[in-house]
Amino acid sequence: DSGVTQTPKHLITATGQRVTLRCSPRSGDLSVYWYQQSLDQGLQFLIQYYNGEERAKGNILERFSAQQFPDLHSELNLSSLELGDSALYFCASSVALGEQYFGPGTRLTVT
Amino acid sequence: GQNIDQPTEMTATEGAIVQINCTYQTSGFNGLFWYQQHAGEAPTFLSYNVLDGLEEKGRFSSFLSRSKGYSYLLLKELQMKDSASYLCAVSKAAGNKLTFGGGTRVLVKP
Repeated sequence: DSGVTQTPKHLITATGQRVTLRCSPRSGDLSVYWYQQSLDQGLQFLIQYYNGEERAKGNILERFSAQQFPDLHSELNLSSLELGDSALYFCASSVALGEQYFGPGTRLTVT
Repeated sequence: GQNIDQPTEMTATEGAIVQINCTYQTSGFNGLFWYQQHAGEAPTFLSYNVLDGLEEKGRFSSFLSRSKGYSYLLLKELQMKDSASYLCAVSKAAGNKLTFGGGTRVLVKP
């Protein structure tokens, strides 16, 4: 158990819908990262927040957005969902630089 | 950009040693990480190298040569539970985002 929690564990929804994935970092970690893992793309960095502010952006679609709240939990919002958005979404956290600890992931299935 | 290359798959026998190589090209290098991932589960942190040389942690060791853009993960005394994907990831100096290689699937046979 990494100490990072993610909800929900599984999510099944239809194309065109919007979903919110939630992540709580390890106690004391200020940085939160979101990654997408699909079978054909591997593990891809989406976005990073540090103490409530966006720090880095990766291959995140405009239909996706995220935020980190004052209590340091983070949410990833995915809208206008397409079949290709089906993937595992991982959240990770770290103190600052150094190793990142991954949550159990949310498996999103878009039908 | 960053290119990270590692073999797709390796097979080894229980009790043996396997070495997984990773080569990378990047600017602003801040460290190299190895993660283990079992199918459908979260990546688990194994090791972090920021300086050249060998880091040993029990049955797992990781080596880094920054001048060569090269790292390897050494798994000794292989156990069946070591069957998993091993991900090489590079961190850049600006921020701490990780860029992952495609992963090496290791199959341990009895």
